Amino acid sequence: SQQGEEDPQALSIQEGENATMNCSYKTSINNLQWYRQNSGRGLVHLILIRSNEREKHSGRLRVTLDTSKKSSSLLITASRAADTASYFCATVYPNTDKLIFGTGTRLQVFP
Amino acid sequence: EPEVTQTPSHQVTQMGQEVILRCVPISNHLYFYWYRQILGQKVEFLVSFYNNEISEKSEIFDDQFSVERPDGSNFTLKIRSTKLEDSAMYFCASSRGTFYEQYFGPGTRLTVT
Repeated sequence: SQQGEEDPQALSIQEGENATMNCSYKTSINNLQWYRQNSGRGLVHLILIRSNEREKHSGRLRVTLDTSKKSSSLLITASRAADTASYFCATVYPNTDKLIFGTGTRLQVFP
Repeated sequence: EPEVTQTPSHQVTQMGQEVILRCVPISNHLYFYWYRQILGQKVEFLVSFYNNEISEKSEIFDDQFSVERPDGSNFTLKIRSTKLEDSAMYFCASSRGTFYEQYFGPGTRLTVT
């Protein structure tokens, strides 16, 4: 399967702490996108990182991509209770523009 | 900020009935997609659509499914004869180009009884 897999499956932290989620994939990609999903709701786009990029930032979010290890990480700094959600990575391969989603990481931030 | 909208938010239908799920993509986007998420499972790709035709479809997207862009703003997914296993959250997404961000709508929860 080409699908990305996240770890950990679940993560519980206190407000103010940093949260790191990892995503691995199998073959060369065009880009990798991170999404957030609140329970039963839609998917909110967070960041897109292309295969020729190594790091991107957006506010409290930092995404890295290591193509040699076929992995990406999402770091949320100074987490807030409102960051509680499921986070998914989705990969796009060179011969298609469909997103292939991973299993997600459930993040719980306690106030 | 422009966003993808979907209607209805929840649809309940009986097995064998036809349903049409509606989406209004972001106005300057040219690429449209449908995905679905069965409860507790991964988000799965169904179909992509560009220039008034299907550009790619998954194995899930069989003859019971069809998509259409009936006018300049709407993008629809039709399921001709629903089955119990079609129960899922269906998401529409749009993008300004291949290999760009895909923005998702809030989803339609389809329940087939």
